[in-house]
Amino acid sequence: EVQLVESGGGLVKPGGSLRLSCAASGFTFSNAWMSWVRQAPGKGLEWVGRIKSKTDGGTTDYAAPVKGRFTISRDDSKNTLYLQMNSLKTEDTAVYYCTTGCDYPRFDYWGQGTLVTVSS
Amino acid sequence: SYELTQPPSVSVSPGQTARITCSGDALPKQYAYWYQQKPGQAPVLVIYKDSERPSGIPERFSGSSSGTTVTLTISGVQAEDEADYYCQSADSSGTYEVFGGGTKLTVL
Repeated sequence: EVQLVESGGGLVKPGGSLRLSCAASGFTFSNAWMSWVRQAPGKGLEWVGRIKSKTDGGTTDYAAPVKGRFTISRDDSKNTLYLQMNSLKTEDTAVYYCTTGCDYPRFDYWGQGTLVTVSS
Repeated sequence: SYELTQPPSVSVSPGQTARITCSGDALPKQYAYWYQQKPGQAPVLVIYKDSERPSGIPERFSGSSSGTTVTLTISGVQAEDEADYYCQSADSSGTYEVFGGGTKLTVL
């Protein structure tokens, strides 16, 4: 059974940093392209970014609102995906989901999400 | 930046057919995906590659594509189908994924 479990959310002040983790199991993590998607309170889904598998280059791409501030990385030895968030803004307040699927950009599997609140 | 446009809301009575549209300039060349999200839950994929249905998704869910518009159709709507529905696709380069603003389906 595929499982994605996010952690690391919490309250942070504007300008601060936070690192989210996503522990994966039930599939071959090293072969998967992984993404982060967020959802602000009462709002819609927003794609944050994606990291390819190392065999496909391991490259990352980011949505415009987070480019230059957020960094996605992976540790295939730990089956874990990360999202390093710097220079946080109040508009980054959201539930952050990690997601993957059978064939990118198909998102079959989602974690339960972790809430990040950016507030003074 | 690229946008996908969905109607904010659609309302249907039980047993009727609900159609939710999603419009975007790159849809003729990029596949669309549809997700159902109920309050407090993670999204669930209901349609992939415009019209394919994942295993476990009821046959009443179907998808179609025509030019710059894709459509999610729910035939014989049931009360349990009341949820928010989001389309997803990529920009013309295929690099950046985008979600539509979401459509709230109300079952009257």
